Amino acid sequence: GESVGLHLPTLSVQEGDNSIINCAYSNSASDYFIWYKQESGKGPQFIIDIRSNMDKRQGQRVTVLLNKTVKHLSLQIAATQPGDSAVYFCAENAGGTSYGKLTFGQGTILTVHP
Amino acid sequence: NAGVTQTPKFQVLKTGQSMTLQCAQDMNHEYMSWYRQDPGMGLRLIHYSVGAGITDQGEVPNGYNVSRSTTEDFPLRLLSAAPSQTSVYFCASRQTLTGRSNEKLFFGSGTQLSVL
Repeated sequence: GESVGLHLPTLSVQEGDNSIINCAYSNSASDYFIWYKQESGKGPQFIIDIRSNMDKRQGQRVTVLLNKTVKHLSLQIAATQPGDSAVYFCAENAGGTSYGKLTFGQGTILTVHP
Repeated sequence: NAGVTQTPKFQVLKTGQSMTLQCAQDMNHEYMSWYRQDPGMGLRLIHYSVGAGITDQGEVPNGYNVSRSTTEDFPLRLLSAAPSQTSVYFCASRQTLTGRSNEKLFFGSGTQLSVL
């Protein structure tokens, strides 16, 4: 899964499968989390977000799960499509004096094979 | 709506040259920021602004200057470019400053900068 480190994690799936992308965060004070998708040559695009008072949030074909006990975040993509191939980033906001400043993970490369 | 617009898309500089990366947003966002993206390191915050006339440093501010004279524009200046500043630069803005209900950043399409 995605975390602060040296290597960019990769995930390869077949079209139609479900994908799970993981993210470990380190700041226990973080109270807001967000997932972005970045296609080659483009800026990051918002996918879904979640606040720390929730443990699950669903969007269209995507679900974000938050486990504050182990400081883990995951993004589930249902029925993955070739157009989902991209780099996925999680980000956290610790609030307080860092209000408004998102800290990003290094990203996970998702490749969807037709 | 154009959203967040960055120019130029590509730039090559020689060491020691100066340049300004432009960023403009038409969403009346109070908060604007600059990130750099390097392979395997995600996005790192350079500078940010919470409104016209107010700027502050992020995680990696050295070598960069910013100003915010209007709500719409947030240029990033490299005064003396160095090879270590070769990167992809993203400008991003967000809607509300005081409310916690909407914190997502809207990103521009990026500027790829090479310093030789």
